[in-house]
Amino acid sequence: EAQVTQNPRYLITVTGKKLTVTCSQNMNHEYMSWYRQDPGLGLRQIYYSMNVEVTDKGDVPEGYKVSRKEKRNFPLILESPSPNQTSLYFCASSLLAPNNSPLHFGNGTRLTVT
Amino acid sequence: GENVEQHPSTLSVQEGDSAVIKCTYSDSASNYFPWYKQELGKRPQLIIDIRSNVGEKKDQRIAVTLNKTAKHFSLHITETQPEDSAVYFCAAYLTSDTNAGKSTFGDGTTLTVKP
Repeated sequence: EAQVTQNPRYLITVTGKKLTVTCSQNMNHEYMSWYRQDPGLGLRQIYYSMNVEVTDKGDVPEGYKVSRKEKRNFPLILESPSPNQTSLYFCASSLLAPNNSPLHFGNGTRLTVT
Repeated sequence: GENVEQHPSTLSVQEGDSAVIKCTYSDSASNYFPWYKQELGKRPQLIIDIRSNVGEKKDQRIAVTLNKTAKHFSLHITETQPEDSAVYFCAAYLTSDTNAGKSTFGDGTTLTVKP
């Protein structure tokens, strides 16, 4: 089944403890992206990747890192999480860039930082 | 993608009525307009998209219309059902943009269909 898989679905952590949220797609998509969703703020883009080894900042990149060493994987790294990073996170992929093909979203990761 | 303004932020209708959500964009060259639906606790999913070479596209009870002159596009849901209750997001893109990784959505419309 074609899908975008995020792990974990739920994560509770403490301030400053490094964490990684994984994202994998099995559709051979070139484009991958991370978003955070907060009440009243919609979906905001954190980072995106147009292809392997190519990443760039979205609208809210501060406090996050990403890497794209393989086409299928695009992990989101929080080196030193803070409470303001408590949010619902979505990974998404598309065959080409989102201006030419629709986005496929993962099921989300709900992160709580205490 | 470019910034879009989406209205209304909340919409409540009676089952069977129609619902309309509107998005406006600023770049007259934008030519790809997708709509995503996010049910409570679930991921956003594409429900319909339109390209600027057509003015309207339908898929059963859902339709999207595009007014290039006024730079707005709208999602129309007819004969609404409780399962249409969700948050709807729009986006606007320029397909020839080589720096098209940026992806910005409207702020979302929470649609509630009352039985």
